[in-house]
Amino acid sequence: AQSVTQLGSHVSVSEGALVLLRCNYSSSVPPYLFWYVQYPNQGLQLLLKYTTGATLVKGINGFEAEFKKSETSFHLTKPSAHMSDAAEYFCAVRGGQFYFGTGTSLTVIP
Amino acid sequence: KAGVTQTPRYLIKTRGQQVTLSCSPISGHRSVSWYQQTPGQGLQFLFEYFSETQRNKGNFPGRFSGRQFSNSRSEMNVSTLELGDSALYLCASSPGLAGARATDTQYFGPGTRLTVL
Repeated sequence: AQSVTQLGSHVSVSEGALVLLRCNYSSSVPPYLFWYVQYPNQGLQLLLKYTTGATLVKGINGFEAEFKKSETSFHLTKPSAHMSDAAEYFCAVRGGQFYFGTGTSLTVIP
Repeated sequence: KAGVTQTPRYLIKTRGQQVTLSCSPISGHRSVSWYQQTPGQGLQFLFEYFSETQRNKGNFPGRFSGRQFSNSRSEMNVSTLELGDSALYLCASSPGLAGARATDTQYFGPGTRLTVL
């Protein structure tokens, strides 16, 4: 069975600071991992995904994530936070279906 | 290409009623999945349809049902509504290509906000 755990339901960072959102996965097979972002009153938008190959994955809006098998992690980072990054972020693993984490709400402080 | 569309965007019903939500996937996508999103439970998988057949089902009571039409459009129905059914219902479509399903990206619609009074 697959699952993901997102550590920290709320994260606050100052504008210009590093963004780090944590995701750990559990999977009995090689995982396919995704990060999605959800802005208020909208659906989810894909930020990036890892399937195979390079473990450092670059996504949209300056975000990237690194797949670390030894740590079963897929943390999302962005070097410099922008006010427009304030949103809910979801990590997901694909098995027969998608399994989503409970989300991390990111607040960016001006 | 047009994105995933869901109708209606907002819905208010009373307990005991039934409701039907509609989802039109991205053109060419054959797989449609439905999720319930609530503040307490996060995103919970309801079911997935592919080529008019239910391929996966989450852990929801039989009051929740769905179907997919030959044009890949999908509907979900909730009968005998309960207060706890108040949620954002999200539909997502993906290509569903054979051999690539595991790496398929799901594209989400804006959701239907259902309020049960």
